[in-house]
Amino acid sequence: LAKTTQPISMDSYEGQEVNITCSHNNIATNDYITWYQQFPSQGPRFIIQGYKTKVTNEVASLFIPADRKSSTLSLPRVSLSDTAVYYCLVGDIGSNYQLIWGAGTKLIIKP
Amino acid sequence: GAVVSQHPSWVICKSGTSVKIECRSLDFQATTMFWYRQFPKQSLMLMATSNEGSKATYEQGVEKDKFLINHASLTLSTLTVTSAHPEDSSFYICSARSPGHNTGELFFGEGSRLTVL
Repeated sequence: LAKTTQPISMDSYEGQEVNITCSHNNIATNDYITWYQQFPSQGPRFIIQGYKTKVTNEVASLFIPADRKSSTLSLPRVSLSDTAVYYCLVGDIGSNYQLIWGAGTKLIIKP
Repeated sequence: GAVVSQHPSWVICKSGTSVKIECRSLDFQATTMFWYRQFPKQSLMLMATSNEGSKATYEQGVEKDKFLINHASLTLSTLTVTSAHPEDSSFYICSARSPGHNTGELFFGEGSRLTVL
């Protein structure tokens, strides 16, 4: 199972675009990259998932370079409610999909 | 998205007693559910994989006799913390995959906070 590395914390301001990068140097061929958001005392919530290039949904974009050894979660125009911990996970979604959760990135949005 | 619900949301118990936490998939059937534990300011740690109709698979270091998992139906998995002690106080979270959604997307319950006095 691939291990991930993320910044421990980040600060930004309302209305800004926030990019959180995750390193996963030993990602395997069958591994997908998934990002989750967690608020205090709540279960994580799925944000976005991708395999390569770029994926976009209504809340975020995910950029994955050709070598797939890293990925960047992009949150457009953040608000105070985006303050949370963001986890990057890598795993084979076709298998039993057990995931190793890294420390995550604590994102603090300031007014 | 699919809904996974846990009950209770929080529980306080005396040391030595047992506590049962339920995890239900409300609008889909889950053959596999995952149980996690999360200590304050730490990440999620996978405790076990719960398989409907068969024994759970526990992660290394997790005592199967202490953390009893039962997955008797496709919509319900239970975690029983037996003879709980203060060091078992934690946030317990379950998750499941929904066949009708993105492959690999996990849906999580709200979590259950256990405090052992």
